[in-house]
Amino acid sequence: EIVMTQSPATLSVSPGERATLSCRASQSVSSNLAWYQQKPGQAPRLLIYGASARATGIPARFSGSGSGTEFTLTISSPQSEDFAVYYCQQYNNWPMCSFGQGTKLEIK
Amino acid sequence: QVQLQESGPGLVKPSETLSLTCSVSGYSISSGYYWGWIRQPPGKGPEWIGSVYHSGSTYYNPSLKSRVTISVDTSKNQFSLNLNSVIAGDTAVYYCARAAIAAAYNWFDPWGQGTLVTVSS
Repeated sequence: EIVMTQSPATLSVSPGERATLSCRASQSVSSNLAWYQQKPGQAPRLLIYGASARATGIPARFSGSGSGTEFTLTISSPQSEDFAVYYCQQYNNWPMCSFGQGTKLEIK
Repeated sequence: QVQLQESGPGLVKPSETLSLTCSVSGYSISSGYYWGWIRQPPGKGPEWIGSVYHSGSTYYNPSLKSRVTISVDTSKNQFSLNLNSVIAGDTAVYYCARAAIAAAYNWFDPWGQGTLVTVSS
């Protein structure tokens, strides 16, 4: 099983300050990585797939990068609505997939 | 647009079977895609349970495979989850979601709103 580790567990930033979230895979997942945003009481929403492709309707301030075992989600200038929990998901070994434990982005 | 809605009991007794149904609107299950179930225990990350294709082909998380059955009813545009012999550790919010269109594209989008299932006597 591929284990996904996200860091930090909590990230505190001021609105407008760049936020960088990390996700590490226990073995290479190529570019088969997705990012989701989850707000309290809501389902996760797809942000990024293929490590760097934005899903439909996702603002350009969200960007993903990385390949192999190291991945980053960057929010260039977080808005108030962006403060939420973010999860990464690898889907390299069909049909299995696995999620990270999440990073909470909070307002400083 | 595609919408999914979970339904089923919110409380299940230990050792019994958890049964949920996902109703899909805005897209015909028969047109393609895999359709998945994911659960999320309180305060934890999501866990993939399994996925089904419109043909009835299924894939399960090995950690749950012995207790899980996922089926599809294309006439009702629904798919279902059965998890037997439940324990307290199965307490979670259960989500249904559209999954992969093909093996290389196994992300989940969109998701249903989720339903909390509590296992307790």
